[in-house]
Amino acid sequence: GAVVSQHPSWVICKSGTSVKIECRSLDFQATTMFWYRQFPKQSLMLMATSNEGSKATYEQGVEKDKFLINHASLTLSTLTVTSAHPEDSSFYICSARDAPLPQHFGDGTRLSIL
Amino acid sequence: QKEVEQNSGPLSVPEGAIASLNCTYSDRVSQSFFWYRQYSGKSPELIMSIYSNGDKEDGRFTAQLNKASQYVSLLIRDSQPSDSATYLCAVSQGAQKLVFGQGTRLTINP
Repeated sequence: GAVVSQHPSWVICKSGTSVKIECRSLDFQATTMFWYRQFPKQSLMLMATSNEGSKATYEQGVEKDKFLINHASLTLSTLTVTSAHPEDSSFYICSARDAPLPQHFGDGTRLSIL
Repeated sequence: QKEVEQNSGPLSVPEGAIASLNCTYSDRVSQSFFWYRQYSGKSPELIMSIYSNGDKEDGRFTAQLNKASQYVSLLIRDSQPSDSATYLCAVSQGAQKLVFGQGTRLTINP
């Protein structure tokens, strides 16, 4: 149980492109989904928290206009990196939970901006 | 002071021995504690959760929590090479989000 699917697993694209990443909870309804970013040899950095039907809550320093989050249903959240640049290259990971149960993570999306 | 602190390692343990991973946290109102395992290039995988003082055992894994000392640990018995990974300690104050430590890199030597 508690399977979270993330797609795509790998994206390579040109600078200036917008990239959409999907996160789905496959066997449970996720009241809350989270988006993290992880740079090499560093721990996870929470970017934002999203509740179904509500606006996402962004962490300090994360640009909400650059990282658009939509949580339209209890099983799907999307993160769109708008006008991506090389410095946005990172490992993006979503997680989902059906409170009060723990968070479970998707497999991550490795984003490379050329 | 970081909110959740772990020794970054690397921690090397011979195969079959007990691996001991430690974590301290700064917020006394923290309520939920988790250990995640992360293999290189992969996303974290939940291996243990603990909510009350004492020990919690699951197979070869034992989580220990001491709220008075603000300390949580993970013991891995009969360590296997497949246990080699980075172990992330995560703490929740009862709000939705988790605060992660930097992770401890564990290597099990055959």
